[in-house]
Amino acid sequence: DQQVKQNSPSLSVQEGRISILNCDYTNSMFDYFLWYKKYPAEGPTFLISISSIKDKNEDGRFTVFLNKSAKHLSLHIVPSQPGDSAVYFCAASARVQGAQKLVFGQGTRLTINP
Amino acid sequence: DAEITQSPRHKITETGRQVTLACHQTWNHNNMFWYRQDLGHGLRLIHYSYGVQDTNKGEVSDGYSVSRSNTEDLPLTLESAASSQTSVYFCASSEPSGRGTDTQYFGPGTRLTVL
Repeated sequence: DQQVKQNSPSLSVQEGRISILNCDYTNSMFDYFLWYKKYPAEGPTFLISISSIKDKNEDGRFTVFLNKSAKHLSLHIVPSQPGDSAVYFCAASARVQGAQKLVFGQGTRLTINP
Repeated sequence: DAEITQSPRHKITETGRQVTLACHQTWNHNNMFWYRQDLGHGLRLIHYSYGVQDTNKGEVSDGYSVSRSNTEDLPLTLESAASSQTSVYFCASSEPSGRGTDTQYFGPGTRLTVL
């Protein structure tokens, strides 16, 4: 039972345009949602997060939107740059014994074309 | 600089062999995690630890074990390797912030092939 789903395995976007990556979840108890970025042969690195009580969080070119009623979040990258080409993982968190456990989606491979 | 390392980076083994993957962090974090990454599944939690002598099972723990004898290390052992355990394994660590998100820092991964 996949609690966090990224239904698009891949996405191709022109350099300078907006990239929109989507993520759906099923568990209403998640308290934070995160996006991680992963380059080949490297571990994932934290990109941006949003609390379940917010609907938007922005950090430079990256904005995450949360729609709790639809159990949906999206990551917007604008403008997209070639260095943004990577696999993006959506993750949802729940606190267990005071520490955060993450549930990850399947990932979306983003390719930025020059 | 503080970091998290994994060794080996690549490993090929045979079915039935015992294999241990090492994870070492110099962040002095209490929380450590092991994930496996498979196509179509993303990252799935195998085991985690919230401190020395503490270990807990994740969603895909069958066939794996961990032990935590110090803060820096959380080795992952495959008791009897199976072909279904061919995967890329990531170790991560974090420190509880008590508020907001605990950022998990990931190692570079170990690619394990079981023949």
